[in-house]
Amino acid sequence: DAGVIQSPRHEVTEMGQEVTLRCKPISGHDYLFWYRQTMMRGLELLIYFNNNVPIDDSGMPEDRFSAKMPNASFSTLKIQPSEPRDSAVYFCASSTADSPLHFGNGTRLTVT
Amino acid sequence: LAKTTQPISMDSYEGQEVNITCSHNNIATNDYITWYQQFPSQGPRFIIQGYKTKVTNEVASLFIPADRKSSTLSLPRVSLSDTAVYYCLVGDPGDAGNMLTFGGGTRLMVKP
Repeated sequence: DAGVIQSPRHEVTEMGQEVTLRCKPISGHDYLFWYRQTMMRGLELLIYFNNNVPIDDSGMPEDRFSAKMPNASFSTLKIQPSEPRDSAVYFCASSTADSPLHFGNGTRLTVT
Repeated sequence: LAKTTQPISMDSYEGQEVNITCSHNNIATNDYITWYQQFPSQGPRFIIQGYKTKVTNEVASLFIPADRKSSTLSLPRVSLSDTAVYYCLVGDPGDAGNMLTFGGGTRLMVKP
């Protein structure tokens, strides 16, 4: 099993640009989670899906952030327009109903 | 959701046993205790999970007293590669939306 795959590993963009982060969960996992990690705020849950349906998006910071899961093997997190304070490492994780979370290696986003 | 409290940081030396304690005074009947490990530039990785008494695997042991208001992660004979951040989470593993909040974690530094 390849684990949770995230792309890109690094993203550098200018303020105002659209950013799209991608995630492929582990096959067979029906839960998918997006987290953001910064030094100041630690690991924050942004949103999670069950069977491709968003269950809790209360952690999404504002309307500039959106997430989709069009099928069981793919999810995106989009920021439009991006701002410097969005700079962070974004993690995707997947699980089954009663398994631990399996994290990808993250996307390091830098917005200048 | 039960809140957890752990030391911010700990130092140790190679070959020593390290014990990291987590307090969770408001743990509920159905809650389990789960520990994750995070290396720099990687996502958190599941280490161990338990409900009561003692659980041991190839990586660590988890000690949980009868009142379950705290737990101790024990790492035997640590090496430099055990330098990482360790997170304690409490929640119902049968509810994937229940154990998603990561606290600040404990930053373990292992010195030669």
